[in-house]
Amino acid sequence: GDSVTQMEGPVTLSEEACLTINCTYTATGYPSLFWYVQYPGEGLQLLLKATKADDKGSNKGFEATYRKETTSFHLEKGSVQVSDSAVYFCALSEMDSSYKLIFGSGTRLLVRP
Amino acid sequence: GAVVSQHPSRVICKSGTSVKIECRSLDFQATTMFWYRQFPKKSLMLMATSNEGSKATYEQGVEKDKFLINHASLTLSTLTVTSAHPEDSSFYICSASLGTMNTEAFFGQGTRLTVV
Repeated sequence: GDSVTQMEGPVTLSEEACLTINCTYTATGYPSLFWYVQYPGEGLQLLLKATKADDKGSNKGFEATYRKETTSFHLEKGSVQVSDSAVYFCALSEMDSSYKLIFGSGTRLLVRP
Repeated sequence: GAVVSQHPSRVICKSGTSVKIECRSLDFQATTMFWYRQFPKKSLMLMATSNEGSKATYEQGVEKDKFLINHASLTLSTLTVTSAHPEDSSFYICSASLGTMNTEAFFGQGTRLTVV
């Protein structure tokens, strides 16, 4: 069945460092891909998404490109802030929306001042 | 975005008792709600999909008599863990959607259940 694999955390970075969180997927069809973020004490929030190959999702300085050839959707940010500390989940859906999601295990990011 | 409220955020219960978790859509009508479960260091796993006014659809391997889901109104779904055991200890998260397959789903804050 479909699945999502993302790098284990925690990832600890200093403020203004570059971030990459790897995410790869397996799917029988052509899924939509998502990154969700969960700040402490809050629910999951949609960070960005891409619905077809070569699409780039972006939001709040984060980017991820849908790479069909490598079945990947790595999350990147050029300069992280302390406020980016959270757990990040990669997910896929066979729909164009987050209607029904298959998640990765989550990666905790800790950014130090 | 739309707001989904989940209650309680944390609960500790004794083995053999039942626990009810509520999921409410505060500013929209949620035709469809989803319940997920997360084990430590594992993915969030979809447990079931519930549509207002009808029986929930459970994913393979999820015991429907163990995890009772009720979606009696367009703004409220409940998950009841019956006769809880320590292995039911987990993080449970709901999400709510307007219902059509091309609409976004919005997540609650999650409930940490500990069974002692």
